[in-house]
Amino acid sequence: DTEVTQTPKHLVMGMTNKKSLKCEQHMGHRAMYWYKQKAKKPPELMFVYSYEKLSINESVPSRFSPECPNSSLLNLHLHALQPEDSALYLCASSQAGGGGNQPQHFGDGTRLSIL
Amino acid sequence: GESVGLHLPTLSVQEGDNSIINCAYSNSASDYFIWYKQESGKGPQFIIDIRSNMDKRQGQRVTVLLNKTVKHLSLQIAATQPGDSAVYFCAENLSGGSYIPTFGRGTSLIVHP
Repeated sequence: DTEVTQTPKHLVMGMTNKKSLKCEQHMGHRAMYWYKQKAKKPPELMFVYSYEKLSINESVPSRFSPECPNSSLLNLHLHALQPEDSALYLCASSQAGGGGNQPQHFGDGTRLSIL
Repeated sequence: GESVGLHLPTLSVQEGDNSIINCAYSNSASDYFIWYKQESGKGPQFIIDIRSNMDKRQGQRVTVLLNKTVKHLSLQIAATQPGDSAVYFCAENLSGGSYIPTFGRGTSLIVHP
């Protein structure tokens, strides 16, 4: 079992819905990430939080809104998504600092389908 | 053998054979490299990493080789098993700052029993 837990595992929503994806880790990691992954493609970075502060936003549309309530939790709020947003959304965490020489730990993702 | 096309490169091997998955990285300043395994329906799983001051590192049944001259990374899997079937991604990172890895496009490994 992965040490990064994501819920829900599957989500189907209409373009007018509002939903949230959740991610939790208890490894004491202080860097957390959201990725989007399309089929047969590598993960694409969306957001990075470092010590609960947003440090990187890879020009993600505002219909995706991240939130880091505390050092163990990461949310991704979704509103007015488009069909092309259907994908696997992955959360990851890593030890912050260390010069970046630490691997990421990934959850198993939320499979999102937009109708 | 290995086929590379517009879609995910695929490597097909027989159970028990050794597998070699290759990756070309882009940034000559990258100094930390990671291999991930992603099984169907799961997130990427860390396999092994290597820093740029090394050219080889071994784990359990896996070996990573780094050739900085030609910016090439490879993952060798000994005695490949059906459970090794997955997509394998290499990732490169530039240390000294935030950990923002750049993922390669991935290789699909198919192990035939």
